[in-house]
Amino acid sequence: AQSVAQPEDQVNVAEGNPLTVKCTYSVSGNPYLFWYVQYPNRGLQFLLKYITGDNLVKGSYGFEAEFNKSQTSFHLKKPSALVSDSALYFCAVRASGSGNTPLVFGKGTRLSVIA
Amino acid sequence: GAGVSQTPSNKVTEKGKYVELRCDPISGHTALYWYRQSLGQGPEFLIYFQGTGAADDSGLPNDRFFAVRPEGSVSTLKIQRTERGDSAVYLCASSLTWGEYEQFFGPGTRLTVL
Repeated sequence: AQSVAQPEDQVNVAEGNPLTVKCTYSVSGNPYLFWYVQYPNRGLQFLLKYITGDNLVKGSYGFEAEFNKSQTSFHLKKPSALVSDSALYFCAVRASGSGNTPLVFGKGTRLSVIA
Repeated sequence: GAGVSQTPSNKVTEKGKYVELRCDPISGHTALYWYRQSLGQGPEFLIYFQGTGAADDSGLPNDRFFAVRPEGSVSTLKIQRTERGDSAVYLCASSLTWGEYEQFFGPGTRLTVL
């Protein structure tokens, strides 16, 4: 069965500092990996995805994530945090290839960027 | 362009009543998904449509839950004999098709069962 772990419920970082939101996954075969962000009273917004190719993927709002197959991780990063980055972040995974395996989400990590 | 829309944004009902939640996906998206999100949790998969047919309904918790997408566009999630445990935010998403394509989410319907 597929699963996603986001080990931190909350991450606090000072504005201007680099941020990392951690994600590890379990899936049979190769994964498709996604990061979404949820602002208060708004729907989930897509940030970036890893399908194949370069392990470092770049996405919206200056975010990037690194796929590490040996560690089964897909941590979200940003070199310099903004107060406006404060939100709830979700990692999600599904197995690649044929079949209708659904997208599985982690529990989310709340990021708080302090001015 | 227009994103995924969901109506109503909020629904309060009494235990035992029937409710319908509507989702209008992005035009041209053949794949449509329903999720349920409880407080402090990530979205939980309920059902996926490719076109008009339900390709995977393995996430529906029991036979009180049913969803349709008769013309391959708008979808309705139907819940019979609602229970207090059904209270959650119900999210709809669509994507170009199945596979590696990202899903675009609507704002959700907050269902409260009293």
